[in-house]
Amino acid sequence: GIQVEQSPPDLILQEGANSTLRCNFSDSVNNLQWFHQNPWGQLINLFYIPSGTKQNGRLSATTVATERYSLLYISSSQTTDSGVYFCAVEGGGSNYKLTFGKGTLLTVNP
Amino acid sequence: GAGVSQSPSNKVTEKGKDVELRCDPISGHTALYWYRQSLGQGLEFLIYFQGNSAPDKSGLPSDRFSAERTGGSVSTLTIQRTQQEDSAVYLCASSLRGQETQYFGPGTRLLVL
Repeated sequence: GIQVEQSPPDLILQEGANSTLRCNFSDSVNNLQWFHQNPWGQLINLFYIPSGTKQNGRLSATTVATERYSLLYISSSQTTDSGVYFCAVEGGGSNYKLTFGKGTLLTVNP
Repeated sequence: GAGVSQSPSNKVTEKGKDVELRCDPISGHTALYWYRQSLGQGLEFLIYFQGNSAPDKSGLPSDRFSAERTGGSVSTLTIQRTQQEDSAVYLCASSLRGQETQYFGPGTRLLVL
């Protein structure tokens, strides 16, 4: 099946700093989503982005499908941004099931 | 509108007992998914329902696991003769037609003693 690798596995920032999270995938994808898992375990949708660039406030994402990677940018980070960020893809022959990466654990210190 | 809801939020059971986990998808969503999140395995797909089609059960880890979806809406995931390795967070998601954004519920935290 399709492989999803996220980097870095852990990231510690001071409030106000910017960061870039990366997601590499091993096959063509029909769907790519970025999620934020908050400390209570809820998976919050950030972006549905199989290709192109999207922005939502301080967050933006870019997927370059031909090169099989996606980037999530967080600007002016806040302590509430802390949590695990997951990249998940539909691909490799599946039209619906998401395959998740292992996530990036982000800690934003005040 | 209301998001995906799951019940119970937490479940503690003894090894060998059966458990039922419930998921209410977003109204109007025809696709429903179950995933499991555990420390050792990360987030993994379990089962997929789309409308009246036969479900894709390819992710179910053993025949102790089963799921049904009644009336194209509510789904129940049943684990029979629970084992300690079944301890995990069970997440339900829904989407409008099966190839768009999946929206996740808060999960059920299952602990098998």
